[in-house]
Amino acid sequence: QKEVEQDPGPLSVPEGAIVSLNCTYSNSAFQYFMWYRQYSRKGPELLMYTYSSGNKEDGRFTAQVDKSSKYISLFIRDSQPSDSATYLCAMSHVYNFNKFYFGSGTKLNVKP
Amino acid sequence: DARVTQTPRDKVTEMGQEVTMRCQPILGHNTVFWYRQTMMQGLELLAYFRNRAPLDDSGMPKDRFSAEMPDATLATLKIQPSEPRDSAVYFCASGLTTPSSYNEQFFGPGTRLTVL
Repeated sequence: QKEVEQDPGPLSVPEGAIVSLNCTYSNSAFQYFMWYRQYSRKGPELLMYTYSSGNKEDGRFTAQVDKSSKYISLFIRDSQPSDSATYLCAMSHVYNFNKFYFGSGTKLNVKP
Repeated sequence: DARVTQTPRDKVTEMGQEVTMRCQPILGHNTVFWYRQTMMQGLELLAYFRNRAPLDDSGMPKDRFSAEMPDATLATLKIQPSEPRDSAVYFCASGLTTPSSYNEQFFGPGTRLTVL
């Protein structure tokens, strides 16, 4: 079993919808939680990161971490066709902040 | 606009051939990471270097893969001999990191490797 699990999708939604993307993990030592966006044939780019539990908001994006459930979420409000991409969650733990463990990614398609 | 660059962008080779992939990290970054991305396994860390010294290569098949940093502006990943199961997209990332804190990693565009 992988340390980070993510539903691969694809997830198809109409423009303007609220999108919810999720990951679960097994290692309770994870402390940093990240969301990356990857467009086709490009490298991942960091969207947001959070430390430990709680919420973080940046524009239309909100990241949530529930450490008690080992569950993280990314919400996208008012989704746009330009949000169509693969979203990868990633995590690192206190023993090595720089070693990231990635989920397999969820492919999102926002239809105009 | 500082970016990580990777060459080649695409590589098709035959089984048994040597493959070398190159990465130029962002100027001033002290850490370079090599990742492999496949549909089945997702994005996996192969190895990483800080200040040109290898810190962790536990994700790399040791018998055929090798990673080096000849200088601060060049990192290489070599596969010899290549096998069809090595077909994947290989990403290089760089960052300015310390052992005691989280730091962002910046990814290059990747090298898409196909081994026939």
